[in-house]
Amino acid sequence: AQTVTQSQPEMSVQEAETVTLSCTYDTSENNYYLFWYKQPPSRQMILVIRQEAYKQQNATENRFSVNFQKAAKSFSLKISDSQLGDTAMYFCAFMKQGGGMRFGAGTRLTVKP
Amino acid sequence: DGGITQSPKYLFRKEGQNVTLSCEQNLNHDAMYWYRQDPGQGLRLIYYSQIVNDFQKGDIAEGYSVSREKKESFPLTVTSAQKNPTAFYLCASTRRPGLQAYEQYFGPGTRLTVT
Repeated sequence: AQTVTQSQPEMSVQEAETVTLSCTYDTSENNYYLFWYKQPPSRQMILVIRQEAYKQQNATENRFSVNFQKAAKSFSLKISDSQLGDTAMYFCAFMKQGGGMRFGAGTRLTVKP
Repeated sequence: DGGITQSPKYLFRKEGQNVTLSCEQNLNHDAMYWYRQDPGQGLRLIYYSQIVNDFQKGDIAEGYSVSREKKESFPLTVTSAQKNPTAFYLCASTRRPGLQAYEQYFGPGTRLTVT
């Protein structure tokens, strides 16, 4: 079974600063997909960024980027130029082909003005 | 607008009653999923369906049942056998497995309270 671990229950960052959220996972699969989702107080799940395991290049999406280390089974999220609207729960998720997603417990991020 | 709808937003039931949560999507997605979220925790997979008339158990299927008679609909029944049914339930869908884009699109969720 796949497990996803987020070791930082809570983090805070000053507006305009950079913050990195950690995620590790455990799997014996070779082909899989990794995601970061954001859940604001509305509880709507919003996709932030995704990474295909077969791609060595780290995914980027505007202010969001990942550091994907396949051998170490690590998938961290970096948020640059943090904005107040980035305040939310962030979930790391793993998905293999044809299966459902497995989520970490989440990191509550607070961006301070 | 294309999307996933879950109704109602809040649902209250007495202990011992079965209750069915609705999930409908008009994205023409083949696969649909049900997750449960408890306070301060991540989402846990209950059931998923990749095609009509077929579904698989997730990690916490006990006490739940599903059906997939139509591509657009994937209702979840919380039975009286579920020991701790009070939770936030999220439905999701994705395009046909086999394509590269595996991201899941989520509905707004249903908060179920059983007393």
